Amino acid sequence: GNSVTQMEGPVTLSEEAFLTINCTYTATGYPSLFWYVQYPGEGLQLLLKATKADDKGSNKGFEATYRKETTSFHLEKGSVQVSDSAVYFCALTTNAGGTSYGKLTFGQGTILTVHP
Amino acid sequence: EAGVVQSPRYKIIEKKQPVAFWCNPISGHNTLYWYLQNLGQGPELLIRYENEEAVDDSQLPKDRFSAERLKGVDSTLKIQPAELGDSAVYLCASSLGGIPTDTQYFGPGTRLTVL
Repeated sequence: GNSVTQMEGPVTLSEEAFLTINCTYTATGYPSLFWYVQYPGEGLQLLLKATKADDKGSNKGFEATYRKETTSFHLEKGSVQVSDSAVYFCALTTNAGGTSYGKLTFGQGTILTVHP
Repeated sequence: EAGVVQSPRYKIIEKKQPVAFWCNPISGHNTLYWYLQNLGQGPELLIRYENEEAVDDSQLPKDRFSAERLKGVDSTLKIQPAELGDSAVYLCASSLGGIPTDTQYFGPGTRLTVL
């Protein structure tokens, strides 16, 4: 089956620090990979995605590269801001047949807190 | 463009009572999803609709949960009777189609508390 493993949190950083949140996966079929973010009091929002190996997704200064050889999709940002404080979820869907087709499988989420 | 709308945002009920959640997806989105999110965990799919057809309900506890998507637009998720363990956030999402590369857009969720 499909599964996503994220680094355990919470992660606490000072403003302008470098961020990495690790994400690895196992999948049946060819996965598409996503990072979703959940700001306090808000719903899940797509942050970025990558649909094939070596693709880099990017948005709002965040980046993640689809690494098939290491089955990873780590999230990075060079300089975090207080407004980046949120819960970050790594997720995947696959093109495997049956009922799993297009189904999003999420990691457990990583809480990020950024202090001024 | 309006996003996915869910109501109510919060619901508190006593165990054994029924409860229903409503979702209005983004206009033109054929695929609708209901997810369950327990505290400190990622969402888990309960049911997926393609238009009005439930194409994946394998994770829906059918003894107490039911869902419908009449006319392939709005959807309702029902629990009857509710149990203490049903306390969670129920998320609705929609996408243009059910292909893996589609972006799923999420509503704000309904936070259910069962006392």
